[in-house]
Amino acid sequence: DQQVKQNSPSLSVQEGRISILNCDYTNSMFDYFLWYKKYPAEGPTFLISISSIKDKNEDGRFTVFLNKSAKHLSLHIVPSQPGDSAVYFCAASGGSGNTPLVFGKGTRLSVIA
Amino acid sequence: NAGVTQTPKFRVLKTGQSMTLLCAQDMNHEYMYWYRQDPGMGLRLIHYSVGEGTTAKGEVPDGYNVSRLKKQNFLLGLESAAPSQTSVYFCASSKGSGTSTDTQYFGPGTRLTVL
Repeated sequence: DQQVKQNSPSLSVQEGRISILNCDYTNSMFDYFLWYKKYPAEGPTFLISISSIKDKNEDGRFTVFLNKSAKHLSLHIVPSQPGDSAVYFCAASGGSGNTPLVFGKGTRLSVIA
Repeated sequence: NAGVTQTPKFRVLKTGQSMTLLCAQDMNHEYMYWYRQDPGMGLRLIHYSVGEGTTAKGEVPDGYNVSRLKKQNFLLGLESAAPSQTSVYFCASSKGSGTSTDTQYFGPGTRLTVL
C-alpha cells in the first residue's frame, strides 16, 4: 500500500508560468515532508522541506504547502524555468528518528520555453 | 567534500554472477541507505544502516545483502544476479539526528544491467 502518492506521472508548463506538483499521504504519523529533484543520470538532490507544525515554507521560487487535514502537500514553482525540467519526488518521514524516508513515485516536470 | 560517491557507475552482469556495489561518504554521517529506482516505481529502499556494524531491511531486501564495516562505507552485494535486479541503484546518507528531520544526500547512481 502506497503511503506517499504522486498521482500525476508528468506535467508540462510554459516557461514563466506556475508549476504545481501534488503529493498525498496516508500515514498520519508522518511529520516531516521533503521534495527532491532529479535530473537524468544524476542522483536526487534535496530541494525543500516542511515540518508538520507549519503549513507553508518558502525558498526563493519554491514554496511547499502542507494541508494536514487533507494529508496533502504541494510544491509551487514560480516562475518556472527550463532548468526546472526534472523528476520531482515527494518524501515523508515520522514516528521516530530511525524511520527511513518514504518516497512517492515521482512527477516528471517539463518546462517549455 | 566529495559527498556521496558510488562505484562503479555502470555494470553489466550475466544471470547468476555476483557483484558488490560500493558507497562512500565523507560527511561523517551515521545513517546510510541503498535504493533502487525502476521506471514508474520511484525510489524503493533495499537496506539501510543506522550506524557502523548495523544494518536493517527496507522495502525490497530480497536478493541483496549489505555490510557496514566502516562508518564511511556501505556495501551492497548481489550474490546471484537476476534480470529482475536490472535497475539504477542509489546510495544515500544522512546525519542520523535522531529526529525525523533528517535530510538524505544521494550519490550519482549505479546503472546495473543483468542479462
